[in-house]
Amino acid sequence: QVQLVQSGAEVKKPGASVKVSCKASGYTFTGHHMHWVRLVPGQGLEWLGRVNPNNGGTNIALRFQSRVILTTETSVSTTYMELTRLQSADTAVYYCARDFGAGIAMDYFDLWGQGTLVTVSS
Amino acid sequence: DIQLTQSPSLLSASVGDRVTIACRASQGISTYLAWYQQKPGKAPKLLIYGASTLQNGVPSRFSGSGSGTEFTLAISSLQPEDFATYYCQHFISYPQLTFGGGTKVEIK
Repeated sequence: QVQLVQSGAEVKKPGASVKVSCKASGYTFTGHHMHWVRLVPGQGLEWLGRVNPNNGGTNIALRFQSRVILTTETSVSTTYMELTRLQSADTAVYYCARDFGAGIAMDYFDLWGQGTLVTVSS
Repeated sequence: DIQLTQSPSLLSASVGDRVTIACRASQGISTYLAWYQQKPGKAPKLLIYGASTLQNGVPSRFSGSGSGTEFTLAISSLQPEDFATYYCQHFISYPQLTFGGGTKVEIK
């Protein structure tokens, strides 16, 4: 079954970091870029960045470049998103999303994880 | 950054209605636009890419049109399962992919 399964909900204090995992199955993990998108309550969707599982190369949205780290572990078909220096404004549901393109990034998303709620509260 | 403005932000409609959602780009993006549907507590679902190409498995009552700065998502006959929030997304201005603000389609 082609799917992305994410790690569970997290509660963090301001200033801490969070690391969310996304395990892929049912397709060739290295064949598609993986993106991370978040849904902030009361707001819309926001793109954080993408990683190429084939070589680990990343491209991060400008406003997150100092705080988002994307990594992959191909042996277990898993991508990780780490967000540092958390603020209350980072409270959101975080999604991993597979790039539509096979072997080349198309930058739209055809397969999504179930989402991970990250709550930042003191 | 390229901004995407959706209208309306809230749309009240009845089953069987034809509805249209607009997405305007702050500068031309050719047809580098996708549409997603999101239901509460669920992940977004790709409906349309390339402004008008229907994703596999998406019902034909959904259609997309437009190019440049003006785009439209249409649902020809609204079904109960179509009540959701819809987002447009451009993919021309890498690495600054952005989404529209969303349009919630609710039951009238």
